[in-house]
Amino acid sequence: GEDVEQSLFLSVREGDSSVINCTYTDSSSTYLYWYKQEPGAGLQLLTYIFSNMDMKQDQRLTVLLNKKDKHLSLRIADTQTGDSAIYFCAERWAGNMLTFGGGTRLMVKP
Amino acid sequence: NAGVTQTPKFQVLKTGQSMTLQCAQDMNHNSMYWYRQDPGMGLRLIYYSASEGTTDKGEVPNGYNVSRLNKREFSLRLESAAPSQTSVYFCASSGEAGVTDTQYFGPGTRLTVL
Repeated sequence: GEDVEQSLFLSVREGDSSVINCTYTDSSSTYLYWYKQEPGAGLQLLTYIFSNMDMKQDQRLTVLLNKKDKHLSLRIADTQTGDSAIYFCAERWAGNMLTFGGGTRLMVKP
Repeated sequence: NAGVTQTPKFQVLKTGQSMTLQCAQDMNHNSMYWYRQDPGMGLRLIYYSASEGTTDKGEVPNGYNVSRLNKREFSLRLESAAPSQTSVYFCASSGEAGVTDTQYFGPGTRLTVL
């Protein structure tokens, strides 16, 4: 695993969609993950996508993977104030090693 | 099931002091991990243990030691704490049967070294 990059901050209004982006560099990644971290808490797995998939939908969450560009995104539909948190993408390589991005802080305004 | 538990939740040390961070999991996982989280840098792997009796260095092992005491417990020791080790420390475990072999995280230990 090498570098995983994310933008630092995203602000949206309640009810809008949020899109959090991530780029990674290791083409041998097998799985890519999205974790959510609420203030003062550990990381909670939100969803994951296998590297041979293009899209995965799970209720309000949609993950898109562009393997050619090594770009991963997480779309949250109908964003709620409870979605305010830091979101980390992570790539899995070499067995079960994870490399994390720096995290994107999502702020949802009422 | 408590999942992954960590003690203590908070700790303040003076430079040069030593301490051990404790981690336990009740999910019968084979693998356990220690990460540190610094602002804007995501999580960086300090040490991991792929199975009971084995430990390996991660990305940032200097200044730390670990012990895999048994399948449940994995401790992280700071022998002589330095201000650069001020961070939030997370323990994780993985190894359930299934495709993703997801890592599950504890709530973290917030360490300040003065």
